[in-house]
Amino acid sequence: AQKVTQAQTEISVVEKEDVTLDCVYETRDTTYYLFWYKQPPSGELVFLIRRNSFDEQNEISGRYSWNFQKSTSSFNFTITASQVVDSAVYFCALSEASRNNAGNMLTFGGGTRLMVKP
Amino acid sequence: DTEVTQTPKHLVMGMTNKKSLKCEQHMGHRAMYWYKQKAKKPPELMFVYSYEKLSINESVPSRFSPECPNSSLLNLHLHALQPEDSALYLCASSQGTGSSYEQYFGPGTRLTVT
Repeated sequence: AQKVTQAQTEISVVEKEDVTLDCVYETRDTTYYLFWYKQPPSGELVFLIRRNSFDEQNEISGRYSWNFQKSTSSFNFTITASQVVDSAVYFCALSEASRNNAGNMLTFGGGTRLMVKP
Repeated sequence: DTEVTQTPKHLVMGMTNKKSLKCEQHMGHRAMYWYKQKAKKPPELMFVYSYEKLSINESVPSRFSPECPNSSLLNLHLHALQPEDSALYLCASSQGTGSSYEQYFGPGTRLTVT
């Protein structure tokens, strides 16, 4: 069965520190997609990135970077030089190709609450 | 424009009331979703509409009734709710129905049932 684990429930850092949010997933599918979403206090989930199971290339977008390793079933997210505006709950999610004929059913991790203090 | 709008932002209703939540997107997306999110928990999928037809119902109680009047609109009709139904209700849409499509979320309706 599919599962996403975000072991860190809360992380607190001081502004300008680097921080890594961990995500470990379980799936039997060979074709799947991984996502990261940010949920600020306002409530809206903001899409950050999508990765497919055949593309292990790491990605960098500004201060954000993602490390996908199939060997350890992990898709970790690093924020460099964190800012107060990065304070939010971050969700990692998994979507399996075999389950999604009628809609993209995401399996979410429990989320990591990141607090960045000035 | 990657905007999904939801109204109202906040709703307080009694257990005997009937109310509706509204969601709208103008991105031409063909799949729309309703989620329920309790505090400090991830979103839980309730319903999926694919090409304006209900395609997934995650065993949601009948006091929640979804409706998709057209490709841009999604409603969630509420009737005889229980206090435990108090939560943030999120609407989302995606371009297609496959697993590769990211979902775009609205800001949610914070529902309180008294």
